[in-house]
Order: sequence, then structure tokens, then C-alpha cells
Amino acid sequence: DAGVIQSPRHEVTEMGQEVTLRCKPISGHNSLFWYRQTMMRGLELLIYFNNNVPIDDSGMPEDRFSAKMPNASFSTLKIQPSEPRDSAVYFCASSLSGSLGEKLFFGSGTQLSVL
Amino acid sequence: AQSVTQLDSQVPVFEEAPVELRCNYSSSVSVYLFWYVQYPNQGLQLLLKYLSGSTLVKGINGFEAEFNKSQTSFHLRKPSVHISDTAEYFCAVSENSGYALNFGKGTSLLVTP
Repeated sequence: DAGVIQSPRHEVTEMGQEVTLRCKPISGHNSLFWYRQTMMRGLELLIYFNNNVPIDDSGMPEDRFSAKMPNASFSTLKIQPSEPRDSAVYFCASSLSGSLGEKLFFGSGTQLSVL
Repeated sequence: AQSVTQLDSQVPVFEEAPVELRCNYSSSVSVYLFWYVQYPNQGLQLLLKYLSGSTLVKGINGFEAEFNKSQTSFHLRKPSVHISDTAEYFCAVSENSGYALNFGKGTSLLVTP
């Protein structure tokens, strides 16, 4: 199993540009999570999908952020327009069913730098 | 609301020495507790978790943690560390909903010869 696959690994862009981060969860996993990691705030849950449906997006910082999961094997996190304060490592994680106490499998993350 | 406090941001330790990484949480309801490890340039991996039952939980790579309800703590321990244990360690808590893991800010463990 290849695990959770994220692309790109690194993204450098200029303020105001659109950024799209991609994630392929582990095959057969029904739950998908997007997290953001910064030095100041640590790991924050942005959004959680179950069976391709967004269940909780209360962590999405503002309207500039949007996430989609068009099918069970693909999700995107889009930032438009991007700002320097969006610079962070963005992780995607998946789990089998999202049930209580279940193990999360994380991707290697996308390091985003907005200049 | 729940919160997680990892009291030490950095812990330097010599190889083969014991180590304890501290984690305290606050919650008004029953919780599930986790430790995750993040090696450089990688995603997080589950070390161990407490859901119920025995308060002493054993995980991978020789780590263990003890749930102490009265002290609201879930400290991580290893009796003898290796260079390869150098990584960032995250304590996490979830409440009734289960899916929403609340992470601490992490403790950087640096093992030197």
C-alpha cells in the first residue's frame, strides 16, 4: 500500500495566486482530514470528510479556503487568493471509517510558502 | 472544550538514557488519548493510544504511556532511547465525537551519542 499521497511536496507562490493542494487517501478508507501545521498554532484540523461528504469544516480559516472530495480517491484543498500567513505545512490524513479512536494515516505533507 | 498541553517544547537526552515526554489535557468528558510521532519531512505516525481498560499502554518502538485520570495526564516514556528516536512527538485528545483530534504543539526529542 502506497499510503496517503500528497502533491506537490513543496509549493512556492506569490501572494494573490491560487494554490491547489492534492491528496489521494488510502484505498478503502472512508474518512479524510486536512490539517495545517505551523510553529505558532501547531496542528489544526481544517476539514473532515466522510464518504466524500464534508462533515465538519469549522476549522477552515476563511472563505479563501475551500476543499472538495469529488470521489473516494481524491481530494483538493484550494486557497484563493493566497496570503503570506497561509505559509505552513498542510497534511492530509485518512482513516478506515472515522469512528471513535481510530488510527489516522498521514501523508508526507505539502510545504507551502507564500511570498 | 478540550485542550492539550505538552509542557516541554524540546527534550535533549543521551542515547540509552530513559526519557519521559509530558502531556496534560483538559476536558469535561471522557477522552481518548494518543501519541503520534513525526520524523523529519514525514507525516505523523501513531505510536500508541488509550481508549479504555488498562491505564498502561504499550506502543511501537518500545514506547509506553500511562493514563492518569486524576492528574489528567498521559505521559510518554521509553526506558532506553536510540538515536533513531529523534523526532517530534505529539500528544492528541479526542472527545465524544471521535474524529476531531486535538493535538498538542509537540515536543522535539533530540537523542545524542
